[in-house]
Amino acid sequence: QVQLQESGPGLVKPSQTLSLTCTVSGGSISSGGYYWSWIRQHPGKGLEWIGYIYYSGSTYYNPSLKSRVTISVDTSKNQFSLKLSSVTAADTAVYYCARGDFWSGYLDYWGQGTLVTVSS
Amino acid sequence: QSALTQPASVSGSPGQSITISCTGTSSDVGGYNYVSWYQQHPGKAPKLMIYEVSNRPSGVPDRFSGSKSGNTASLTISGLQAEDEADYYCSSYTSSSTLLFGGGTKLTVL
Repeated sequence: QVQLQESGPGLVKPSQTLSLTCTVSGGSISSGGYYWSWIRQHPGKGLEWIGYIYYSGSTYYNPSLKSRVTISVDTSKNQFSLKLSSVTAADTAVYYCARGDFWSGYLDYWGQGTLVTVSS
Repeated sequence: QSALTQPASVSGSPGQSITISCTGTSSDVGGYNYVSWYQQHPGKAPKLMIYEVSNRPSGVPDRFSGSKSGNTASLTISGLQAEDEADYYCSSYTSSSTLLFGGGTKLTVL
């Protein structure tokens, strides 16, 4: 059973960089066949896809966030990470990591989510 | 990219059937059979309910079904149960190799 767990600071100051890591257990990121994704949900709002990465390092990002987002992968630790720069209060959200099917993109395993608040 | 269009809310009584629509464009919903649906209960992570338009993952009751016509996909829940009350989101792969979510639909079981 694949499990994903987000970790990182719950509070980030405005203009700083939000950094989160997703640790995958029960399966190898390097096995291929899946994209490793980040999704966020603003309080009381809907889901917003941030981007995903393949184990080889290929990435795709939401055009609206592309200038501020970097997703990377560390196959040796079976982890992938999110960095979002120049954050504002509008980036306050629950951030989820998830596994996505390589061909059709459906997200079959999700982490529990972590709330990141942007505030001074 | 604009979010896929879903109704904000739907409701139904136990035992009834409801359908939630998800409208996109030919660059996403209409262009690929890669629509998925997620159920989210308050405070919980989303759960995959339907993938590739009409396929159910193991463990999802067959009361849940999906379909697509043109640029609109639909999720139907038959034999509505109290536990089905949740938010539902559609998602589609796009021609830009990105993912797009719908705005979400709140299902109320009366």
